Parts: sequence; C-alpha cells; structure tokens
Amino acid sequence: EAQVTQNPRYLITVTGKKLTVTCSQNMNHEYMSWYRQDPGLGLRQIYYSMNVEVTDKGDVPEGYKVSRKEKRNFPLILESPSPNQTSLYFCASGQFFNSPLHFGNGTRLTVT
Amino acid sequence: GENVEQHPSTLSVQEGDSAVIKCTYSDSASNYFPWYKQELGKRPQLIIDIRSNVGEKKDQRIAVTLNKTAKHFSLHITETQPEDSAVYFCAAGSNQFYFGTGTSLTVIP
Repeated sequence: EAQVTQNPRYLITVTGKKLTVTCSQNMNHEYMSWYRQDPGLGLRQIYYSMNVEVTDKGDVPEGYKVSRKEKRNFPLILESPSPNQTSLYFCASGQFFNSPLHFGNGTRLTVT
Repeated sequence: GENVEQHPSTLSVQEGDSAVIKCTYSDSASNYFPWYKQELGKRPQLIIDIRSNVGEKKDQRIAVTLNKTAKHFSLHITETQPEDSAVYFCAAGSNQFYFGTGTSLTVIP
C-alpha cells in the first residue's frame, strides 16, 4: 500500500531533550516536506527536500533540522525542544515539487 | 515569500446547498494550487488541484477556478452532503508551498 509513515504518533518530552520524528515513504517520491499545524495558523512548512541530499528551509525552520540521505526517509530532528514547538507535525511527499502531496498520519508533540 | 489568505474561516450550509471558499495569493510565480480536506483527527487529503495554465477544473461535485490576473482561486462544492463537513485548506506555490489558514465547513442535515 502506498503510504507515508510517521513515527511516533504521540510524543511527550521535556525541554532540551533531543528527539527525532521519523518519516518514510514507499512511493519513490522525489519531494518530501515537513509541516506543523497549529490552531488558526493552518499548515506551515518547516523544511522541504527536492531530492536526496537537497534540503531547503521553509517558512518556520528555526529549532529544527532535517536530513535526506536516502530517497525514502526524511527525519525531523529537534536538537533542543522548547514548549513553543508543541504542535501537530505532518510529513508529506509528492512525486515532484508541484504535485499532489501525500501526508502521513501526523505526530502530536508536547514539550513541557 | 508567498502570502495565502483564505476566507471564510467558518462556513455553515444546509445539505444540498453550495459552498464556496476563496483564497488569494501574492506571488505571481506560484503555479500550482491544490485544495486539501482534513477531517477531524485525520491527515489532510488532496481533493482537487489546478495549475496556472488552466482557468477551471471540475471533478463531480467539486470545482476550482483560478484567476491569475487577480491572484485568486476558489473552491466550489455543489449539492453538499454531511460527509463534506471538514476543514478545507487551499495552498499556493511552486517549490515551496504556503497554505491558507483553513475553512471549517459544516453541512447541516
């Protein structure tokens, strides 16, 4: 089944404790991206990747890191999480940069 | 960067009526305009999209129109049904996508 898999679905952590949210797609998509969703703000892009080893900042990249070492994986790294990063995070992939996005199921992160 | 504005933020319609959601964008370089539907607690899913070389696209009860000169595009849902109740997001961009803030649509049976 074609899908984007994110893990974990729920994560509660404390300020400053490094964490990684994994994202994997099995559709051989070139384009992958991360979004955060906050009430009233819609979906805001954190980072995106056009292809392997190519990543670019989105609208709200501060406090986040990504890597694209393989085509299928695009992990999101929070080196030192802070409470303002409490949010619902979505990973998405698309065949190319301006094609329909397939979203993962989301990761609800709480930083205390 | 791009700025996408979406209106209204909430919309209630009677079952069978039409619903229209409007978005404006600022960057004339944007060339792809998708619409996503997000049901409560679920992931966004694409319902229709349009590219800058097309003015209108229709898929059964859903249609999207694009006015490049005025930099606005709209989603039209006809003969609404209760299962159309969800949050709808527009987006615009080329390699980087900007989403609108969403419209919560409620279809009243």
